[in-house]
Amino acid sequence: DTAVSQTPKYLVTQMGNDKSIKCEQNLGHDTMYWYKQDSKKFLKIMFSYNNKELIINETVPNRFSPKSPDKAHLNLHINSLELGDSAVYFCASSPRGRGYTFGSGTRLTVV
Amino acid sequence: GEDVEQSLFLSVREGDSSVINCTYTDSSSTYLYWYKQEPGAGLQLLTYIFSNMDMKQDQRLTVLLNKKDKHLSLRIADTQTGDSAIYFCAEKRSYIPTFGRGTSLIVHP
Repeated sequence: DTAVSQTPKYLVTQMGNDKSIKCEQNLGHDTMYWYKQDSKKFLKIMFSYNNKELIINETVPNRFSPKSPDKAHLNLHINSLELGDSAVYFCASSPRGRGYTFGSGTRLTVV
Repeated sequence: GEDVEQSLFLSVREGDSSVINCTYTDSSSTYLYWYKQEPGAGLQLLTYIFSNMDMKQDQRLTVLLNKKDKHLSLRIADTQTGDSAIYFCAEKRSYIPTFGRGTSLIVHP
């Protein structure tokens, strides 16, 4: 049973397209996150939702829009994709104050 | 500058001990974590330490926390080739988790 699952695992798309990445967790955690990992492995938080409410919204372009339909899901929609958006995107979840459980990542390649 | 700093690379011989170091800036961090990332995979929580502890041991892993110096270390005893990965230190304050840039551990046979 996968605890935090992301789909798709790989996404190759052209510049200018709109795409979505889905994330679901079955751990009953209150908080979910989206992280971006660049080619140098640097992990940067993008968004965090707690009980469907946005609590962290770091400086990311407004082409990125998170959506949390319920506590177990946090999806990431990206409009007008650019070359610089190519990265690995990780979804994670955590109970209050404890360690995070990460998904296996979505490798986005914009061509 | 970054809030959590780690050296980028560490190379050790199989069977030796590895020590990965991390410094952080926020003394109000309640939890500090070590994560492991193998190639092509997500991050896996290895261990964590609560800020009122100074040491935690879990099999081959030993975590040391020096709150005064804001220094965290991870020692891996009897390092194996399967330990080769990137190790991330992370701190959590309030809702904001911050990761270091990761230390690539390379284990030579």
